[in-house]
Amino acid sequence: AQKITQTQPGMFVQEKEAVTLDCTYDTSDPSYGLFWYKQPSSGEMIFLIYQGSYDQQNATEGRYSLNFQKARKSANLVISASQLGDSAMYFCAMRGNTNAGKSTFGDGTTLTVKP
Amino acid sequence: GAVVSQHPSWVICKSGTSVKIECRSLDFQATTMFWYRQFPKQSLMLMATSNEGSKATYEQGVEKDKFLINHASLTLSTLTVTSAHPEDSSFYICSAPKSGPNTGELFFGEGSRLTVL
Repeated sequence: AQKITQTQPGMFVQEKEAVTLDCTYDTSDPSYGLFWYKQPSSGEMIFLIYQGSYDQQNATEGRYSLNFQKARKSANLVISASQLGDSAMYFCAMRGNTNAGKSTFGDGTTLTVKP
Repeated sequence: GAVVSQHPSWVICKSGTSVKIECRSLDFQATTMFWYRQFPKQSLMLMATSNEGSKATYEQGVEKDKFLINHASLTLSTLTVTSAHPEDSSFYICSAPKSGPNTGELFFGEGSRLTVL
């Protein structure tokens, strides 16, 4: 079974500062993918970043980077230089081969960027 | 641009009526699509896996007769909420993997907000 844990229901960050959103996971799959999605109040799920379980380097996409620590089963999202538009709910998710490609989502973290 | 399109974005219906939500992959073929339900401030709950050419696979606790899923073609899956009641009011969202392994990225539709009066 797959499990995603996001322990931060809500986070606040000052504009222009960096913030880390925590995500830990559990799976018996040898091969899996980890994702972060942003969900603004409009409801759409916006893909931010992807990390494959066999990727040697941490993924980066613009202001987003994923701090992947495989031994600790953590995949934290780092947002640098926060902007007001970053205020949204953020979900960590994973997919694995043995789960027929189904995705498992964490409970989400609501990020609020303060001006 | 969007690679998965969902329609309608908003729907309000009377109790007892049926509502159909469409999910289309725009520039790729999707043999599999996933349907989720989301309550306010909560996570996405997987309802079912839609399979082109075969029956959908439902998650435990999801009523098959209430939530009918049809994967009519390689680019279209539909979710029909039958005999809707107020407790069916929710945000429904679909997703599809574009290609490749079961570990790859999922592309999401815009979501459909259903309100049953």
